[in-house]
Amino acid sequence: AQKVTQAQTEISVVEKEDVTLDCVYETRDTTYYLFWYKQPPSGELVFLIRRNSFDEQNEISGRYSWNFQKSTSSFNFTITASQVVDSAVYFCALSEAGYAGGTSYGKLTFGQGTILTVHP
Amino acid sequence: GAVVSQHPSWVICKSGTSVKIECRSLDFQATTMFWYRQFPKQSLMLMATSNEGSKATYEQGVEKDKFLINHASLTLSTLTVTSAHPEDSSFYICSARAGTDNQPQHFGDGTRLSIL
Repeated sequence: AQKVTQAQTEISVVEKEDVTLDCVYETRDTTYYLFWYKQPPSGELVFLIRRNSFDEQNEISGRYSWNFQKSTSSFNFTITASQVVDSAVYFCALSEAGYAGGTSYGKLTFGQGTILTVHP
Repeated sequence: GAVVSQHPSWVICKSGTSVKIECRSLDFQATTMFWYRQFPKQSLMLMATSNEGSKATYEQGVEKDKFLINHASLTLSTLTVTSAHPEDSSFYICSARAGTDNQPQHFGDGTRLSIL
């Protein structure tokens, strides 16, 4: 069974601080995908990144960066110089690799979410 | 690209009413659609997976007769909450995915369902 753990329930920072959101996962699959989503107060899910299990390169996108470490089954997300607009709930998710003819179809397992509040 | 439209965005209705929620992929063909439920301050829980033209696969603990899912075309899936009760009040989110390999899921904006 797959499991995603986001141990930080809530994080509160002041604007311009850097903040790291932790994500640890469990899976028996050798091929899988990891995701981060942002959910602002309006409710919609905003896709941030997808990373497959064979690509351990860290990625940077503007103020966002992700650190994928297979050895520790972690996929952490860092926001540099946080802004008030970054306030949201952030979800880490794991998807098994879908395959035709089977029943997995890439179901997403979400972590519990981390509520990030950035104060001015 | 990859826009998923979910309608309605907000529903308030009386207990015992059946409510239908639509999920449409606007600019791609969605081979697979997923329906999630999210209670306040909780995570998204997958309810069911549906493939176009097939019966939906429900997750353990989800009543298939309560939550009817139809995926009649490659651009439309519907979730009907039958005889809704206050405990069914929740945020329902659909997602759609193209292809049979592991393409990303694209999410709708969600439907807030409140049963009085």
